Amino acid sequence: DGGITQSPKYLFRKEGQNVTLSCEQNLNHDAMYWYRQDPGQGLRLIYYSQIVNDFQKGDIAEGYSVSREKKESFPLTVTSAQKNPTAFYLCASSDRGFDEQYFGPGTRLTVT
Amino acid sequence: ILNVEQSPQSLHVQEGDSTNFTCSFPSSNFYALHWYRWETAKSPEALFVMTLNGDEKKKGRISATLNTKEGYSYLYIKGSQPEDSATYLCAFNRDDKIIFGKGTRLHILP
Repeated sequence: DGGITQSPKYLFRKEGQNVTLSCEQNLNHDAMYWYRQDPGQGLRLIYYSQIVNDFQKGDIAEGYSVSREKKESFPLTVTSAQKNPTAFYLCASSDRGFDEQYFGPGTRLTVT
Repeated sequence: ILNVEQSPQSLHVQEGDSTNFTCSFPSSNFYALHWYRWETAKSPEALFVMTLNGDEKKKGRISATLNTKEGYSYLYIKGSQPEDSATYLCAFNRDDKIIFGKGTRLHILP
């Protein structure tokens, strides 16, 4: 089955710790994205990558880092510099940049 | 500042009735307008990607129109069914940016 997987579904961390969220796709898509959702807000773009070994900051990249070493993988690290890391994180991919996007199931991160 | 507004925020519709809601976006330097459906406990699913002024797209009972000159898109649902209950998101894309609206939460009443 083709699709996007994110793991884990729920993640709990102590403040001050870095944490990495996984995103894998087997759709052979060139572009991948990370979004964050907070209550009462629209999805906000954190980082995106249109090709392997290249990525761009979205609107709220501060406190996050990404890598794109393989076409199918786009992990997101939430660093201790991110002031409000507790949120729902969605990964997506598309055939080309900003085409129709396919979303993963999301990871809910809670930092206490 | 790029802003995408969706209205209404929430909507209750009787099963069998038709409904529509709006997405407003900046009209300059337009590239594409996306509609997604997000059902509870599932991932957002693409409905339409629209690029041309005057575009009309249809998928079953759901259709959408696009006016890029005035900066709005309408999503229509004909003969609402319980499975239409979801949040409908629109997203505006230009200059390597994509901005999502907050969504319209649709509840279908039996």
